[in-house]
Amino acid sequence: DVKVTQSSRYLVKRTGEKVFLECVQDMDHENMFWYRQDPGLGLRLIYFSYDVKMKEKGDIPEGYSVSREKKERFSLILESASTNQTSMYLCASSLSSGEERNIQYFGAGTRLSVL
Amino acid sequence: GDSVTQMEGPVTLSEEAFLTINCTYTATGYPSLFWYVQYPGEGLQLLLKATKADDKGSNKGFEATYRKETTSFHLEKGSVQVSDSAVYFCALTVPNTGGFKTIFGAGTRLFVKA
Repeated sequence: DVKVTQSSRYLVKRTGEKVFLECVQDMDHENMFWYRQDPGLGLRLIYFSYDVKMKEKGDIPEGYSVSREKKERFSLILESASTNQTSMYLCASSLSSGEERNIQYFGAGTRLSVL
Repeated sequence: GDSVTQMEGPVTLSEEAFLTINCTYTATGYPSLFWYVQYPGEGLQLLLKATKADDKGSNKGFEATYRKETTSFHLEKGSVQVSDSAVYFCALTVPNTGGFKTIFGAGTRLFVKA
């Protein structure tokens, strides 16, 4: 089974802190994604990566950056956390080819509160 | 632009009732369509998919048919159980830089009462 692991289930940070959210997948997937999930808004794509050291902006990249130094790991960075970044953050991965290339596998999420 | 619209929740049903969650989409070209489910405290997981018009996806008693003429992909189940209580997301994928882009609906929360 594909496993996507997010390092923390819950985080509480203060305004202005630098925050790192880590995600690791164990199925050698090429693509990795970061979303935020807010009530009534569904999932919104922050950044995605289709290869090591490659990244592409999603729909709401402002205030975030990412890092992908190894294929299995994709990190989301909040350079200076703000209260409007309080949300549930979901990491996902997928293959880039084959029949299953469009299926995303998700981690359990990190609920971040910025005070 | 590409988008997914699904019915607002919450939807509250009694056990063994019939379920329909409506989903319509707007997309250029020929998207693949998906339903994902999110159980409490978990991430999303794929429930079913359809990749071309008239395909029917099915899993765990849930079904959805890709209707190109009405741009719809409604989720149905004949008899829901308490364990089906979750949030359901309709989604589509379209080609994009590096492969494809997935667009999710806002989600529909389902409560099933015993």
